Amino acid sequence: GAVVSQHPSRVICKSGTSVKIECRSLDFQATTMFWYRQFPKKSLMLMATSNEGSKATYEQGVEKDKFLINHASLTLSTLTVTSAHPEDSSFYICSARDWGTTYNEQFFGPGTRLTVL
Amino acid sequence: AQTVTQSQPEMSVQEAETVTLSCTYDTSESDYYLFWYKQPPSRQMILVIRQEAYKQQNATENRFSVNFQKAAKSFSLKISDSQLGDAAMYFCAYFGERGAQKLVFGQGTRLTINP
Repeated sequence: GAVVSQHPSRVICKSGTSVKIECRSLDFQATTMFWYRQFPKKSLMLMATSNEGSKATYEQGVEKDKFLINHASLTLSTLTVTSAHPEDSSFYICSARDWGTTYNEQFFGPGTRLTVL
Repeated sequence: AQTVTQSQPEMSVQEAETVTLSCTYDTSESDYYLFWYKQPPSRQMILVIRQEAYKQQNATENRFSVNFQKAAKSFSLKISDSQLGDAAMYFCAYFGERGAQKLVFGQGTRLTINP
């Protein structure tokens, strides 16, 4: 199957700083990517849908000014957590949709663990 | 809005035995897909099996099979000959073709394999 990478896999930052997480589709073009947040032992919570060349669509309750999403190319979407605070600590997962497949299948990145001190 | 419900937070099974994980969903759409994803301790989401709603035949992938009951909106996963590597969180997910076009996940079921 197609491969999606995320970088970094782990990041620790101080409260008040900003952190950028990259999501790349390695062997296919992804016009649509998704960003999820997952708390321990919980399900994936969709934060936003990232569309190449246009603004992201945020889910209800997600602060768009805090979680900045940029999808500048067909293979790269970035999530920037601005002015991070300890409550932003979580596991963030991206996925990319391969429109070339029959089922518009989504492929998931390995996730990024963010710890805000 | 579509919802997916997994009523079993945890399940356990003896190695080599068979286990069934339950999933129900609610939708008014007619065109949709259903998925089971596995999330092992590495937390990498892995697609286990998919089912197209228009297909009556239940999907199978080696030791994994589903029981898709469209009228009852039920989509259970059966794992045969359970192996230690099957231990993981399993998520049922719904994708509507014409609606919001995003995956809706259930709460997850943690599966433990007893040697």
